[in-house]
Order: sequence, then structure tokens, then C-alpha cells
Amino acid sequence: GQNIDQPTEMTATEGAIVQINCTYQTSGFNGLFWYQQHAGEAPTFLSYNVLDGLEEKGRFSSFLSRSKGYSYLLLKELQMKDSASYLCAVRRFGANNLFFGTGTRLTVIP
Amino acid sequence: DTAVSQTPKYLVTQMGNDKSIKCEQNLGHDTMYWYKQDSKKFLKIMFSYNNKELIINETVPNRFSPKSPDKAHLNLHINSLELGDSAVYFCASSPRTSGEQTQYFGPGTRLLVL
Repeated sequence: GQNIDQPTEMTATEGAIVQINCTYQTSGFNGLFWYQQHAGEAPTFLSYNVLDGLEEKGRFSSFLSRSKGYSYLLLKELQMKDSASYLCAVRRFGANNLFFGTGTRLTVIP
Repeated sequence: DTAVSQTPKYLVTQMGNDKSIKCEQNLGHDTMYWYKQDSKKFLKIMFSYNNKELIINETVPNRFSPKSPDKAHLNLHINSLELGDSAVYFCASSPRTSGEQTQYFGPGTRLLVL
């Protein structure tokens, strides 16, 4: 099986930087994904890491350490619209489906 | 030009009924999925289909049966609905090519069983 842990909730201030951590335990690791989900909407893809290191996409960056089973999503210059749940998901070899963590609900305050 | 679409968006029904949820993708993807998101917002894989073949069937009750008439469609049929089936059901699709294989999700179907 797989075990994926994220903090349940976080709060941050508009304009600030926030880091959302994700730890995982799985066999046959084949990639880690971050998705954003606004209340009542579908998850939307943010980032993908399969090798160690940092992937940057505008205000969002994602980091992976396979040896530590650890990833984080970094959000810079927070905006009110970034208030959402952020879902960490892993993929295993031999299967295309994703195994999701419980998600981190981020609230951005003025 | 919706990429992944689902119908209906809302479904309210009585316990014991049989219902279907439809999903269509126009992305040309090879693999489609059904996920269930419960009241605690935990998103869990139910099924995936690759070229009309079921390749994963997680431990879901056999009251749930996925049906894929063609590569662009994956419908979910549920027999004898139970209260615990109330959840949001998301369809998704991804390409089969190697690499990222990002999954794209539909808008979800909110099922409420009374």
C-alpha cells in the first residue's frame, strides 16, 4: 500500500510565501503530483516531479527527495484566490492511477 | 470545448435505486478513471480503463460497474444504492505516452442517497 501525509490545514497572509509538505511511503514510486482543488470544483494539475530537485512554474514550485519520501509545494506572492485544498498524489510503476493524500486546506488572509 | 465532461452534475436518489453517471473526454487520451471523494475530501481511485480494458479494480463493491463503449467514454453504473455511496465522483483521463501522463479531471458528480 501507500501512506501519504500532509498537514490538514494551513493559514497564510496575502503576499507571503507558504510551503506545504508531503511525506509518502510507497513501493515502485513513479512520480509525485500536486493538484489544486477549490471548494466544489475539480482538482486541477499544478506540478509533477519524478526526479529529485525543484521544479518551478511561475509562483508555484515543487520539490522532491525520493530518498526521504518527501515533497513540498511552495507558493509565492500569495493571492486570495490561492485559498484552496492542495492535494499531494503519488503514482506507482505498473499503474497510471494516482494515490492521493487527504489534502491541505490553505486559507489566505488579508 | 470541454476536455472532460460528466453528467449529471447533481444526482439525488433513494436508497436501493440503480443509477448511472456518464463521462466523456475529447482529449484523445487512452486511459480513463473514476475516483470517489468522500465527505472528508479524501480522493480515492475506484477504476481505470485503458483501451477499453479494465486495468485496475480497487476494492470497491461489485454494485459498482464501469462500462466503456469506446475510448472516449467511461460510464459508471451503480446498483442498489446505499447511504454510504453519497459522495462526489470524479472522472479523469490521461495519455498513455511515457512521462508525465498528467490526469485531467471532470467537474464531478455530486451523488446524494436518501
